[in-house]
Amino acid sequence: DTGVSQDPRHKITKRGQNVTFRCDPISEHNRLYWYRQTLGQGPEFLTYFQNEAQLEKSRLLSDRFSAERPKGSFSTLEIQRTEQGDSAMYLCASSLGILLETQYFGPGTRLLVL
Amino acid sequence: QQQVKQSPQSLIVQKGGISIINCAYENTAFDYFPWYQQFPGKGPALLIAIRPDVSEKKEGRFTISFNKSAKQFSLHIMDSQPGDSATYFCAATLVSSGSARQLTFGSGTQLTVLP
Repeated sequence: DTGVSQDPRHKITKRGQNVTFRCDPISEHNRLYWYRQTLGQGPEFLTYFQNEAQLEKSRLLSDRFSAERPKGSFSTLEIQRTEQGDSAMYLCASSLGILLETQYFGPGTRLLVL
Repeated sequence: QQQVKQSPQSLIVQKGGISIINCAYENTAFDYFPWYQQFPGKGPALLIAIRPDVSEKKEGRFTISFNKSAKQFSLHIMDSQPGDSATYFCAATLVSSGSARQLTFGSGTQLTVLP
């Protein structure tokens, strides 16, 4: 399967703990996006990478959140000192960056903070 | 002015019927309008998309109608099938200052097609 993969698929953690999610984009895609989706809502943009450079961050991305994409391949999203409000589905998408790009989404990581 | 409003929240249609989902936007800078389909436990998948210089686009049973002056667009699913039961999201996008093409999603419509 050459689609976008995410790991883990599910994560349950206690408030105050740190969590890290991984996204492996489609191999030739240079653009990578992170979105957050809460129950009953559409995904909301968090951050964007072009190759290894993080070029945009949403106001939703508080200083407890950090994302990296070393070497322009896989990406990680870390949440420090998790709060119950962080409970959501975290989606990764990748694209080729052509004019009207199609973003291909992974299956997401569902986070539950107790 | 990044919001995209979507209705209805849920929709129940008989097999063979027409499903219609509506969206409206505010930001006239949006230049691409995709629709995504999401099944439980899966990420959204692109279904069909339209540019604002086109009033209609059809792909198989799926048609987007676009009204630029009203800032509205809609998805029509003809001959709806039980396998179409999923959550549908409209979205709008533009190239932002950092070169990202952020997707701004509607709140979703849960479609159920009865057999």
